[in-house]
Amino acid sequence: DVKVTQSSRYLVKRTGEKVFLECVQDMDHENMFWYRQDPGLGLRLIYFSYDVKMKEKGDIPEGYSVSREKKERFSLILESASTNQTSMYLCASSQITGQGAYGYTFGSGTRLTVV
Amino acid sequence: AQSVTQPDIHITVSEGASLELRCNYSYGATPYLFWYVQSPGQGLQLLLKYFSGDTLVQGIKGFEAEFKRSQSSFNLRKPSVHWSDAAEYFCAVGAPLTGTYKYIFGTGTRLKVLA
Repeated sequence: DVKVTQSSRYLVKRTGEKVFLECVQDMDHENMFWYRQDPGLGLRLIYFSYDVKMKEKGDIPEGYSVSREKKERFSLILESASTNQTSMYLCASSQITGQGAYGYTFGSGTRLTVV
Repeated sequence: AQSVTQPDIHITVSEGASLELRCNYSYGATPYLFWYVQSPGQGLQLLLKYFSGDTLVQGIKGFEAEFKRSQSSFNLRKPSVHWSDAAEYFCAVGAPLTGTYKYIFGTGTRLKVLA
């Protein structure tokens, strides 16, 4: 069974800390994504990557950065955590295809609380 | 750019009743369309997808959806709801002509099932 694994289910960090959220997929997918999910706002794209060392900003990249050194791993970095970054963070991956579309495979999410 | 709207924030149905969740999209051509389900505290699971062909799509867990170009809609249906269907449902749209694999998600519809 294909999987996207996020390293932590729950995380509590202090304001100003540098926070790393890790995501690993075992499907050899080219694309990887980081979303945050907040009540009433749905899923908002933070960053995505379509290849190793390649990244593009999503809709809300401010305060975040990403790293993709290996195809299977996509890390989200909160440079200096703030309370307004308290949220559920979802990682997803998908494959590139020239014929039709494949949906995303999501991880179980990391609920981050910044205090 | 594409966009997606889920007009209903909450829906309550009785167990055994039929269900229809609404999804409207905006895109200048035939989009990629998806429905996902999220159980509490979990990631999102793909229910079904449409990108071409037959406009009535069958998915997992007994769900189906119909693509109606004239109404720019992709409504999710189930003939008889089970208590385990209580969850949040997200519609997503992708834009094949852009060559990107970013999908836009709706804000979700939370389904409550009465025993």
